[in-house]
Amino acid sequence: SAVISQKPSRDICQRGTSLTIQCQVDSQVTMMFWYRQQPGQSLTLIATANQGSEATYESGFVIDKFPISRPNLTFSTLTVSNMSPEDSSIYLCSVATTAGGVGYEQYFGPGTRLTVT
Amino acid sequence: GNSVTQMEGPVTLSEEAFLTINCTYTATGYPSLFWYVQYPGEGLQLLLKATKADDKGSNKGFEATYRKETTSFHLEKGSVQVSDSAVYFCAWSWGGKLTFGTGTRLQVTL
Repeated sequence: SAVISQKPSRDICQRGTSLTIQCQVDSQVTMMFWYRQQPGQSLTLIATANQGSEATYESGFVIDKFPISRPNLTFSTLTVSNMSPEDSSIYLCSVATTAGGVGYEQYFGPGTRLTVT
Repeated sequence: GNSVTQMEGPVTLSEEAFLTINCTYTATGYPSLFWYVQYPGEGLQLLLKATKADDKGSNKGFEATYRKETTSFHLEKGSVQVSDSAVYFCAWSWGGKLTFGTGTRLQVTL
């Protein structure tokens, strides 16, 4: 397994501002992802954070709104830009590791609870 | 398209009751299947997994069997405890990316 930390754990932000969320993993991992969990909802994949290249975004998510950096194999950031109240969610970082050479196991950070007023 | 359909909650059970939470999936190929649990105020934890047909994942008294013929991965526990109260998410994975179901809230009472 992997131990994942996120900063900040929560924040309250004003609309129109931006927030950068950091994700730190205790070991080098190839696959790192960012998810969003809107209030009372399931998790939705935002993007795959690729080390050394641009992130791969899922349908409905764009780089201008959610720029992602991945400077190395243990760290990534997600920025939520020009925030609106609809961006109020929990943002989670996750990593996928191979498990005994069969498939992947994915582990999640504790999440960043964002409230936009 | 690819998706996961979960039994809607909330599910309310008395302690020591039998639990089943249904999960079916639609996917091309043969994905890995997972159950995740989110306890109140905590992060998402991997509960169990299965990587191929007929595999049974188990952990903490919970079990789920990968049924290719019915594209299902139902979660079961023979005797639930109050401490099992949480939201349970079914998910499938392909290439490391997860697709989640909507989640099922379980409330266990004394």
